[in-house]
Amino acid sequence: QSALTQPASVSGSPGQSLTISCTGTSSDVGGYNYVSWYQLHPGKAPKLMIYDVNQRPSGVSDRFSGSKSGNTASLTISGLQAEDEVDYYCCSYAGSNTFVFGSGTKVTVL
Amino acid sequence: EVQLVESGGGLVQSGGSLRLSCTASGFTFSNYGMVWVRQAPGKGLEWVSFISAGGGTSNFADSVKGRFTISRDNSKNTMSLQMNSLRVEDTAVYYCAKNYNGLSSWGLGTLVTVSS
Repeated sequence: QSALTQPASVSGSPGQSLTISCTGTSSDVGGYNYVSWYQLHPGKAPKLMIYDVNQRPSGVSDRFSGSKSGNTASLTISGLQAEDEVDYYCCSYAGSNTFVFGSGTKVTVL
Repeated sequence: EVQLVESGGGLVQSGGSLRLSCTASGFTFSNYGMVWVRQAPGKGLEWVSFISAGGGTSNFADSVKGRFTISRDNSKNTMSLQMNSLRVEDTAVYYCAKNYNGLSSWGLGTLVTVSS
């Protein structure tokens, strides 16, 4: 149950696109199409942004998209906005009703 | 509207016990698996435990296995996490979340502080 690997921080200018990677193993990210992404605002409940690799819940901006290749999943934020400047975590199902989160990425809007 | 409210957090000494509760509303609680997730101060999210919709299946992170138990009462729309043999490293905000199409709804969390 080792944490999935995310970059500690990524940054971009308003209007640009940026991508956050989430690297696991064939036992988690690579083995299941059950990767999800969460946005964490301090003092608020975590918010689901993407589920099942690339599905967007209703109400989530279409500026957010997800993908996966092998053992690495990615979250792309397009048209970067100041409000996107928070922490993001990936999460993968890891079999036998277990889950594993990523190490977290802080997004900075320059 | 889906609502999840955690309670039961507080300050406890190392080796002690605490029972957290999660009260759900706004959805048919008995139809969904639920999880506990925690975030230690300055650290990332960590999955803690899962319980199936009917309560018959559960699992735990290695870091808490053998010390924590999970249960649910579908008649009361509540889920509980019994935490025994608490360690300083269990200090965290504990969240409950609904497991459907990802962890689709979360509570605001309850703070557990374990002192040495």
